[in-house]
Amino acid sequence: DQQVKQNSPSLSVQEGRISILNCDYTNSMFDYFLWYKKYPAEGPTFLISISSIKDKNEDGRFTVFLNKSAKHLSLHIVPSQPGDSAVYFCAASAGGKLIFGQGTELSVKP
Amino acid sequence: DAGVIQSPRHEVTEMGQEVTLRCKPISGHNSLFWYRQTMMRGLELLIYFNNNVPIDDSGMPEDRFSAKMPNASFSTLKIQPSEPRDSAVYFCASSLRGTGGYGYTFGSGTRLTVV
Repeated sequence: DQQVKQNSPSLSVQEGRISILNCDYTNSMFDYFLWYKKYPAEGPTFLISISSIKDKNEDGRFTVFLNKSAKHLSLHIVPSQPGDSAVYFCAASAGGKLIFGQGTELSVKP
Repeated sequence: DAGVIQSPRHEVTEMGQEVTLRCKPISGHNSLFWYRQTMMRGLELLIYFNNNVPIDDSGMPEDRFSAKMPNASFSTLKIQPSEPRDSAVYFCASSLRGTGGYGYTFGSGTRLTVV
């Protein structure tokens, strides 16, 4: 039973445009939501997070939005750059552990 | 800081053989996590330790899987006997407990292939 779901396995975006990655969850008890970025042959690295009591967090080109009523969060990257091409994992925190989604592979084309 | 160190980076083994994956967490981190990455399920949490004690092993798929953390600087994940469906990338991560998740540092992973 997947508590955190990323329904789009891949996304292709033109350089300079906005990338929007989506994530849905089922457990209302999650207290933090995070996005991790992963390059091939490397481990995931932390990108940005949001507390469950907030609805938006921004860090440079990256913004995460949380819609608790819909149990949905999204990551916006503006403007997208070729170096952003990677797999992005959504994660939710509860009880000291992170539950991850399946990942979305983002490809930013020049 | 060398980060989280996993070994080996790649492992190819025959079905039925025992496989041992190793992890050295970041010094000072008191939580350690083992994850498995597959296409279908993404990153699955297998087991995690706090202060060397296993806290939650509900993600361990079967009795063929076992994990130990004999001290704060070393952990192993063992599969015995291995099966082709165990083929995946296995990640170890460590953190300082209470950091809300953003303090996770992952190793580079071990790519396991069981033939």
